Amino acid sequence: DSGVTQTPKHLITATGQRVTLRCSPRSGDLSVYWYQQSLDQGLQFLIQYYNGEERAKGNILERFSAQQFPDLHSELNLSSLELGDSALYFCASSDAQGANTEAFFGQGTRLTVV
Amino acid sequence: GEDVEQSLFLSVREGDSSVINCTYTDSSSTYLYWYKQEPGAGLQLLTYIFSNMDMKQDQRLTVLLNKKDKHLSLRIADTQTGDSAIYFCAESPNNNDMRFGAGTRLTVKP
Repeated sequence: DSGVTQTPKHLITATGQRVTLRCSPRSGDLSVYWYQQSLDQGLQFLIQYYNGEERAKGNILERFSAQQFPDLHSELNLSSLELGDSALYFCASSDAQGANTEAFFGQGTRLTVV
Repeated sequence: GEDVEQSLFLSVREGDSSVINCTYTDSSSTYLYWYKQEPGAGLQLLTYIFSNMDMKQDQRLTVLLNKKDKHLSLRIADTQTGDSAIYFCAESPNNNDMRFGAGTRLTVKP
């Protein structure tokens, strides 16, 4: 158990809909990272927050957004969903600002868009 | 763009050594990582190496870095069936985002 909790584990929704994925980082970790893992794109970095502030942005679509709350949990919002958004979405946390060597991953949320 | 490349499959017999190779293209990468993903689980950091090192050993794991050729390898000694998983190589060019390879699926046969 990495200490990073993601909910829900599975999500099935229709095209055009909007979903919110939630991540609770390890106790004490200030950084949260979101990744998308799909068959055609592999594992891609989406966005990072550090202590509530956006720290780095990767290949995140404009239809997607994220935020980190004062209690340090984070949410990834995916809107106007398309079939191609079906993927495993991972959250990771670390206690540092950068892509620290000690980033711990959650189990992922598997999103299926039908 | 910059890509991290790995072979997709590797099959070894239990007790043999496994060597998983990776090439990266961004010479500014400060850290290079190996992650393990077991079925239905998240990614687990196995080990990492700083770009100013050429070798790192951690129990059964040995990481070799050839910075000139931008080649990274992970050697698992005495491979066990529990080592069967997907292994991801990753680079961190700016210490924020990480770029991952496609993953190498290691199968260990008894």
